[in-house]
Amino acid sequence: DAKTTQPPSMDCAEGRAANLPCNHSTISGNEYVYWYRQIHSQGPQYIIHGLKNNETNEMASLIITEDRKSSTLILPHATLRDTAVYYCIVRGYYNTDKLIFGTGTRLQVFP
Amino acid sequence: DAGVIQSPRHEVTEMGQEVTLRCKPISGHDYLFWYRQTMMRGLELLIYFNNNVPIDDSGMPEDRFSAKMPNASFSTLKIQPSEPRDSAVYFCASSSDRANTGANVLTFGAGSRLTVL
Repeated sequence: DAKTTQPPSMDCAEGRAANLPCNHSTISGNEYVYWYRQIHSQGPQYIIHGLKNNETNEMASLIITEDRKSSTLILPHATLRDTAVYYCIVRGYYNTDKLIFGTGTRLQVFP
Repeated sequence: DAGVIQSPRHEVTEMGQEVTLRCKPISGHDYLFWYRQTMMRGLELLIYFNNNVPIDDSGMPEDRFSAKMPNASFSTLKIQPSEPRDSAVYFCASSSDRANTGANVLTFGAGSRLTVL
């Protein structure tokens, strides 16, 4: 029951900003947008989440459109270590709202 | 905190054998999740616990799979008997609705890679 659509792959030059889009046109009012990433052979790693306001932390920025039907994860200065699969997930706030992973976007950062 | 600890990291076994995977969640986290990842099916949620009680096991593929959480610091996922199609990476994750970072912020372990011959 994936509620998000992401491009399967993207490339980004090292040092440049990586902008990863996500469409979630059926998002409901109490659902958050979560981003996780999975570096090869490691467990998924939480990046950021938001409801309707833009959010920023030490890893990334999350821009959510005013109608909340899409969002963009921004890695401001991509490094080779940011090469990973990035998952955009729409879910309620509580842990009983199960976190279901889709296929994500494979980001390749090149030198 | 050492994070979520899983063991073994790698397991190779023969079809029909019993497999037990172990997980130690982050201290203070009251939710524990078991996921499985394969190339064909991606990351699948198998089961999750809240306060050591199984809440939703609808993702457990069949009766050969069982999971327990005898206390707040330990959980097991058991496969008996194992089959080649069970080969996958199994991840354990923990979370808390009370964590400073918010709910649905899961911390994953490094995973247990299972190969059934």
